[in-house]
Amino acid sequence: GAVVSQHPSWVICKSGTSVKIECRSLDFQATTMFWYRQFPKQSLMLMATSNEGSKATYEQGVEKDKFLINHASLTLSTLTVTSAHPEDSSFYICSASPSSMNVQYFGAGTRLSVL
Amino acid sequence: AQTVTQSQPEMSVQEAETVTLSCTYDTSESDYYLFWYKQPPSRQMILVIRQEAYKQQNATENRFSVNFQKAAKSFSLKISDSQLGDAAMYFCAYRPQETSGSRLTFGEGTQLTVNP
Repeated sequence: GAVVSQHPSWVICKSGTSVKIECRSLDFQATTMFWYRQFPKQSLMLMATSNEGSKATYEQGVEKDKFLINHASLTLSTLTVTSAHPEDSSFYICSASPSSMNVQYFGAGTRLSVL
Repeated sequence: AQTVTQSQPEMSVQEAETVTLSCTYDTSESDYYLFWYKQPPSRQMILVIRQEAYKQQNATENRFSVNFQKAAKSFSLKISDSQLGDAAMYFCAYRPQETSGSRLTFGEGTQLTVNP
């Protein structure tokens, strides 16, 4: 299957700092990528849809100024958690789908801990 | 709006036995895709099996098979000869038949325990 790389896998930061998470499609191009947030023992919650070359589409209730998404190329989308606070601590997962397929492949996720 | 429901928060099975995980969904579309994803303790989401709604034949992938009942909007996953490595959270997911930019709608998940 297609490979989606997500980095870092785990990050610890101080409250008030910003953290960038990268999502790369390694062997295919992805015009659209997705960012999810997952709380322990819960399902994936879609935060936003990242579109290459245009603005991301955010789900209701997700602060676009808090969670900045940039999709500058067909293989890279980034999620920046700005001015992170302890309540932003969570597991963030990205996914992407090759244009010729109808399956989403997922990154390994990023565990964010804000102190 | 589409919804996906998994009514079993937890299931357990003995090693080598068979277990079935339930999933129902609601949609007004006639063409769509259904998936089962597995999330082991590593938290990496892994595709287990997929089904195109226009196909009547149930999908099968080795020990994993589905029972797709389109009229009933039911999509259950059967795991045969369960192995310890099958222990994970299993998510049922729905996707409209559009471009690759279509979003997935997930169920709440079923935590599967495999007992030795």
